[in-house]
This record gives sequence, structure tokens and C-alpha cells, in this order.
Amino acid sequence: ETGVTQSPTHLIKTRGQQVTLRCSSQSGHNTVSWYQQALGQGPQFIFQYYREEENGRGNFPPRFSGLQFPNYSSELNVNALELDDSALYLCASSLGDLGGQETQYFGPGTRLLVL
Amino acid sequence: GQNIDQPTEMTATEGAIVQINCTYQTSGFNGLFWYQQHAGEAPTFLSYNVLDGLEEKGRFSSFLSRSKGYSYLLLKELQMKDSASYLCAVSFNKFYFGSGTKLNVKP
Repeated sequence: ETGVTQSPTHLIKTRGQQVTLRCSSQSGHNTVSWYQQALGQGPQFIFQYYREEENGRGNFPPRFSGLQFPNYSSELNVNALELDDSALYLCASSLGDLGGQETQYFGPGTRLLVL
Repeated sequence: GQNIDQPTEMTATEGAIVQINCTYQTSGFNGLFWYQQHAGEAPTFLSYNVLDGLEEKGRFSSFLSRSKGYSYLLLKELQMKDSASYLCAVSFNKFYFGSGTKLNVKP
């Protein structure tokens, strides 16, 4: 059983650029959630995808968008990058058929620095 | 937000027991989860509670009281490797995390 993987591990961008982050979910999982974690803070929910459909969104602007593919891998896209977007971006996969009681398993994260 | 509060930092001695508290001002969630996060790494799952009461998993136990809006994580026989941040999260399918408690274990 493979765990959650993310790519790239680190990324440096400049203000105004666009970035795509990728996540492969754990084998057998159909749900991917994305989180932003600023230094010294807990992860903040961005959005979740369940069976290729968006299944909830946190308090993030529309320039944060995502996709989930038929193999349940996922992408997070951020347009018009701002300095405050610098953070650790985590994806977590779960088996989303248990009404919210399922454990989420996190990938190693992508550390994004916006200059 | 869900107003999830945890102490910012705690210090304990190797071999001791430590209790990390989490209070929240929300209701109707599916479960309360605890994660451990070492610096620069991803959170790893420790324990969760759906019903009130104590769940024990080896050296780690977690307690939930929905009526009191309160949970705690209990770590026994502390080891140096337990130095990390501990995050509590309430689940409404999506997780809402507290800011985490940084635990320092000293010899």
C-alpha cells in the first residue's frame, strides 16, 4: 500500500505567477483534501474533492482552484500568487464514504515560497 | 472558524505523563482527531474520538466530552522523540485544526 505523495517538495515563485501542486492519494482512497499551513499555525482547509467533485471549500479566494482525476490524484492551482501564499501546502487522502469519521492521511507537503 | 484552542507550548520531562488540552466552540462534528507533527514534516495520525470517553492506543490516549466542548491527548512514558507539535482537529468531513501545541521533552 503506497502512502500519499506530493510534488514538488519545494518551489520558489514570484508575485503574480501561477503554480500547480500535485498529490497522489493513498491506494483505495477516493477523497483528497488540501490545506495551507503557515509557519507556527495549524493547517487551514482549502477545499476537498470526493470522486472528482468539489465537496466543500474553505475561506480561500477563487484564485485557489483544484481538480481531481479519475485515479483520484489531485491538483491545486494558485493564480496571481501573493507573498502571503508562502506556506506549506498539504494534501490528505481518505476514504470518504463513512460520513466524516474517516481518518485523513497527509502527504509530506509542498513548501512554496513567493518572492 | 470553529474556535479551537490549544496551549501554545508545553514542557515535560522524559518518562513523565503530559496532558494536552483542546477546547472548541462548535457542535455537530463527526469526530475529534489528534495529529503529531514534527518540524518540517507532515502531520501523522495519532488518535480520534467519535463518542465521549477515553480511547487508548499504546502510550497515547485521547478523551472527548462533547457536552463540555473539551478534549485532551494524554502521552505516557514520554520519550525525547515525542518533542513535536500536537494538533487537534474537529471533522465535518473537512478538518478544522487548532494552532497546535508545541511539546518540548527534556531529559
